[in-house]
Amino acid sequence: DQQVKQNSPSLSVQEGRISILNCDYTNSMFDYFLWYKKYPAEGPTFLISISSIKDKNEDGRFTVLNKSAKHLSLHIVPSQPGDSAVYFCAASGVLNFGNEKLTFGTGTRLTIIP
Amino acid sequence: DGGITQSPKYLFRKEGQNVTLSCEQNLNHDAMYWYRQDPGQGLRLIYYSQIVNDFQKGDIAEGYSVSREKKESFPLTVTSAQKNPTAFYLCASSIWAEGGQPQHFGDGTRLSIL
Repeated sequence: DQQVKQNSPSLSVQEGRISILNCDYTNSMFDYFLWYKKYPAEGPTFLISISSIKDKNEDGRFTVLNKSAKHLSLHIVPSQPGDSAVYFCAASGVLNFGNEKLTFGTGTRLTIIP
Repeated sequence: DGGITQSPKYLFRKEGQNVTLSCEQNLNHDAMYWYRQDPGQGLRLIYYSQIVNDFQKGDIAEGYSVSREKKESFPLTVTSAQKNPTAFYLCASSIWAEGGQPQHFGDGTRLSIL
């Protein structure tokens, strides 16, 4: 059962416009949500996170919104060619002894069109 | 520079062989993780370790083994019992017991069967 879902496998956006990537989750026990960016043949790179009790977090061109029930979104504005990558949404839940496990979505491939 | 080093970048395995993937970190992180990524799928947790000489099974541990003899090192062995080992393997590390702390990833090892 996929607890973290990214229903759009791909997204194309014109350079300079806003990119919106969506993520849905089913487990209400998740306490943090993280977004990662991944280029081919490289490991994921952490972008931004948000606590489950917050509704917005901003870092430069990146904003994550958590305003709807079991839904969050990553906004990139303005979109740049270097943003072309696969974006993974991940949810953090407690493993044991306070350490946390990340559950990943299947990713959305973002292509920025020059 | 602090980071996570995975080696080799590409690895080929013959049928019936065990192979070991290396993961070393100099971030002084307590927790380390191994993930597997298959095409079109998110990352799935194989094993994790919160402290030296201790490790736990993740979601897909069958056919894999690990050791954690040093804080810096968390090698993964893909055994002959793993019937579908072809995948991209990612190692990660993080601070232990910190809510929402991001995991930092290496650049991965791509394992293929000859």
